[in-house]
Amino acid sequence: DTGVSQDPRHKITKRGQNVTFRCDPISEHNRLYWYRQTLGQGPEFLTYFQNEAQLEKSRLLSDRFSAERPKGSFSTLEIQRTEQGDSAMYLCASSFQTGVGEKLFFGSGTQLSVL
Amino acid sequence: AQKVTQAQTEISVVEKEDVTLDCVYETRDTTYYLFWYKQPPSGELVFLIRRNSFDEQNEISGRYSWNFQKSTSSFNFTITASQVVDSAVYFCALRGIIQGAQKLVFGQGTRLTINP
Repeated sequence: DTGVSQDPRHKITKRGQNVTFRCDPISEHNRLYWYRQTLGQGPEFLTYFQNEAQLEKSRLLSDRFSAERPKGSFSTLEIQRTEQGDSAMYLCASSFQTGVGEKLFFGSGTQLSVL
Repeated sequence: AQKVTQAQTEISVVEKEDVTLDCVYETRDTTYYLFWYKQPPSGELVFLIRRNSFDEQNEISGRYSWNFQKSTSSFNFTITASQVVDSAVYFCALRGIIQGAQKLVFGQGTRLTINP
């Protein structure tokens, strides 16, 4: 399977716990994006990396959220002290930079439920 | 600010009917790209089409066709002779070359159900 891979597919946690998600992009893709999708809504941009550099962060990304892409390959998204409002689908996408019109390839997402 | 509006929250039709999904967008950029993505129950967003703002030609791909009208800021998607496998949530998205150039702005999506 050469698509974008996300792990885990589902995560249930208690409020206040920390969680970490992983995304493995398509191997030759240098850009990696994180989006969040709540029920009945479209995905909302959280942050993106070009290689290992995190170049933009949304205001949606509070201080409890941190993302890394240490070697320019896989990425992790950590949420500290989870809140019920963090319950959502977290989507990862990757692309090969060709310009603004580049096509993003999405993974199947990690569904987070905070109890 | 950039915005995408998909006014139809849910559509339900009987198989073989034609169906059109509406998309209206707002942007101050003169150069931008518009996209349609399909999200089946598995959750993965599947790319369907990309258009740039300078190309207003309509496009047809099999049973799918897209109507881009810059004058009305619309980028509508039509499925002809719908099939049950077309059931999914469809998202229209916008990416400007200047404003928010690094992110796709999605509409709220239209849930399409094709009944046998």
